[in-house]
Amino acid sequence: DAGVTQSPTHLIKTRGQQVTLRCSPKSGHDTVSWYQQALGQGPQFIFQYYEEEERQRGNFPDRFSGHQFPNYSSELNVNALLLGDSALYLCASSLTTGDRVTQYFGPGTRLLVL
Amino acid sequence: GENVEQHPSTLSVQEGDSAVIKCTYSDSASNYFPWYKQELGKRPQLIIDIRSNVGEKKDQRIAVTLNKTAKHFSLHITETQPEDSAVYFCAASEAGYSSASKIIFGSGTRLSIRP
Repeated sequence: DAGVTQSPTHLIKTRGQQVTLRCSPKSGHDTVSWYQQALGQGPQFIFQYYEEEERQRGNFPDRFSGHQFPNYSSELNVNALLLGDSALYLCASSLTTGDRVTQYFGPGTRLLVL
Repeated sequence: GENVEQHPSTLSVQEGDSAVIKCTYSDSASNYFPWYKQELGKRPQLIIDIRSNVGEKKDQRIAVTLNKTAKHFSLHITETQPEDSAVYFCAASEAGYSSASKIIFGSGTRLSIRP
């Protein structure tokens, strides 16, 4: 049973560029959430996707966008990168049935913006 | 807005002693409280969780308590071992049949176990 996977593991970009991060949820999970974890801080919720739609969004600008595919995998896109976007980007998957809200995290993508 | 406060930010205990991490949350609608352990360079791993209809939950050396009235919840680790050294995050979420389950994390506690 595969867990949550993310790609790439590391990425270096320059200011103003655009980046796409990818996530495959745990087998059987239909909901994907994205978090940003700056160094020394707790993860911050970016948004959540369910049934290919953004269901809820945290306090992040429109430069952050996403997508969910029919196979439940998801992408996070960040446009016009800023130095402050450097962080570990975590994807978490869960199954939306009743109160089964346990979220399992992927290994993350470490993004460095120069 | 929603907020989870966590303290202490760092904690050092002698191996074999107990460690306690405390959190408070602001959103009264929160009803699910997971705790995650994150080792250096690794993903957050769920170690225990508690729901609002339960006041206490225990799993071997780990226990969590929840006081809904005071909006406090705590993690207790007994008989600490070197492998318990990590950063621990408390979190709160509003979970339900139709609502989204975004998780609001605390700022983390770096726990060090002294041999």
